[in-house]
Amino acid sequence: QKEVEQDPGPLSVPEGAIVSLNCTYSNSAFQYFMWYRQYSRKGPELLMYTYSSGNKEDGRFTAQVDKSSKYISLFIRDSQPSDSATYLCAMEDYKLSFGAGTTVTVRA
Amino acid sequence: EAGVAQSPRYKIIEKRQSVAFWCNPISGHATLYWYQQILGQGPKLLIQFQNNGVVDDSQLPKDRFSAERLKGVDSTLKIQPAKLEDSAVYLCASSELAGGAETQYFGPGTRLLVL
Repeated sequence: QKEVEQDPGPLSVPEGAIVSLNCTYSNSAFQYFMWYRQYSRKGPELLMYTYSSGNKEDGRFTAQVDKSSKYISLFIRDSQPSDSATYLCAMEDYKLSFGAGTTVTVRA
Repeated sequence: EAGVAQSPRYKIIEKRQSVAFWCNPISGHATLYWYQQILGQGPKLLIQFQNNGVVDDSQLPKDRFSAERLKGVDSTLKIQPAKLEDSAVYLCASSELAGGAETQYFGPGTRLLVL
């Protein structure tokens, strides 16, 4: 069993839709939870990070962490074609462990 | 502020050949990471440096991979000899310090194809 499980998709949505992404994990030692965005042929860039269970909002992005269920989510509201990318969840105990990434396409 | 620089961007080699990748982190960042990202997978940490010392190299295949960070600034990752399964994107990242609250900034990666 992988430490971090993420459905690779792909996910295709129309512009303006809500994009819902999620990951599950097995390692209870993870304390920091992050979402990275990776455009084609680019390195990952940090979108959001959270430390504890609960919600965190940043513009059109909302990250949720449920430590009791070992489940994290990312929601993108009013999605735009520029949001088309691969979204990677990542978690840290003493090092980052990444999910496989979900490829999202937002259709204009 | 300049980002993390990597070179070359692309490399094609035959199996059993050697190859080296170079990384220059963001100025002032003490921690440098090398990741391997195989197609369809997330990045996997190979090695982490704090200044010029190794913090974690537990997932580095030491029989063929080596890395150094002389003078605590730029770094080189080498593969010798390469195998087909080494085909991947090699990402370098840096952060000011180490730890969960530190943001890692990634370079564009070096795309390696081993034939």
